[in-house]
Amino acid sequence: EMVLTQSPATLSLSPGERATLSCRASQSVSSYLAWYQQKPGQAPRLLIYDTSIRATGIPARFSGSGSGTDFTLTISSLEPEDFAVYYCQQRSHWPPFTFGPGTKVDFK
Amino acid sequence: QVQLVESGGGVVQPGRSLRLSCAASEFTFSSYAMHWVRQAPGKGLQWVAVISYDGSNEYYADSVKGRFTISRDNSKNTLYLQMNSLRAEDTAVYYCARDSTAMVRGVFGPWGQGTLVTVSS
Repeated sequence: EMVLTQSPATLSLSPGERATLSCRASQSVSSYLAWYQQKPGQAPRLLIYDTSIRATGIPARFSGSGSGTDFTLTISSLEPEDFAVYYCQQRSHWPPFTFGPGTKVDFK
Repeated sequence: QVQLVESGGGVVQPGRSLRLSCAASEFTFSSYAMHWVRQAPGKGLQWVAVISYDGSNEYYADSVKGRFTISRDNSKNTLYLQMNSLRAEDTAVYYCARDSTAMVRGVFGPWGQGTLVTVSS
């Protein structure tokens, strides 16, 4: 089974700062990597798929990059509503589809 | 606006069964593959199962294979998850999520609000 690891586990930042979240796959997933945002008590929301394609309605401050085994989600300037947990997910080797353990972005 | 509304969760004893439903609206349900994804309390996301647009293909996580069955009724715009032989470790919020295409692609969005299943004696 494909394993995804995310770092850091927690990222403490202030509004307006840049957030850089990492996701590493146990083997190459090509470009088939997505990112989801989840706020407390809410369902996850698709942000980015296939490494760098923003989903409908996602602001341009969210961007994705990487290939193979190493991927990055960047939030260029944090807004108050961006403090949440972020999960990466691969669709290269399935079943199963697998998610990373998540990175929590919280207030410094 | 796409809507996915799960129902059927609750408290159930180990070994018993439960059927979850996901009612879809505001999109052509029969044109998309559909998934179930679960989240244990305080934990991360775990994919459970997927079904293609016409029900001809189903895939499962190993942890539920042989116990859970995903199905759909396109005439009712509804997705189902039949859960048998439930275990304590199946306790989670269960989300339905739409895939991005008719066949299975593995891009999850949008999601329903989830329904909580608690397996406890």
